Amino acid sequence: QVQLTESGPGLVHPSETLSLTCTVSGFSLTGYSVYWVRQPSGKGLEWMGRMRYNGDTSYNSALKSRLSISRDTSKNQVFLKMNSLQTDDTGTYYCTRVYSSYTTGFAYWGQGTLVTVSS
Amino acid sequence: EIVLTQSPTTMTASPGEKVTITCRASSSVSYMHWYQQKPGASPKPWIYETSKLASGVPDRFSGSGSGTSYSLTINNMEAEDAATYYCQQWNYPWTFGGGTKLELK
Repeated sequence: QVQLTESGPGLVHPSETLSLTCTVSGFSLTGYSVYWVRQPSGKGLEWMGRMRYNGDTSYNSALKSRLSISRDTSKNQVFLKMNSLQTDDTGTYYCTRVYSSYTTGFAYWGQGTLVTVSS
Repeated sequence: EIVLTQSPTTMTASPGEKVTITCRASSSVSYMHWYQQKPGASPKPWIYETSKLASGVPDRFSGSGSGTSYSLTINNMEAEDAATYYCQQWNYPWTFGGGTKLELK
């Protein structure tokens, strides 16, 4: 079945770079796009970026200058890198996938990985 | 970017009560999706493409709307429905509403 699993460092120091991995199973990264969504602690959801099935990327304009998404299709992994982290980047980071090419909406979510930005 | 405004921000409902959460978009959108989130858990797809119930969602839930106004309705509130609900629109760039926290009275 479809699964997405986020992994990352847990703690990042201010001004440093965050590196997260989304490992997927049950589908191919060349067939489906993967999206990153974050949730600052105690707040709402924010779409961050997308790795499209064809390798193209899209980014939230508010994060674009700091964000990079890439992938390794042979390992079924999508990577997120965001630099210049600040305390308000603290929160849970999710990767997610839509139902299908024809049905929109984020159908599958990882369990999320908590990132704390602190010195 | 389309801004989604949910109302109310928080609410309480008694068992058996009818609940309606609204989501207004700053511009017209084709579809609205809804997610349920409980503390410490990932968001779950709840209603997709405005009115389709995700797998496992009880049929006391329904979704409706068009253009800039959408709603999620619960007929006969149950304890397990207490959660935060988010709307989300599918025009690029994808945006979410601020959430509605629904508590049991």
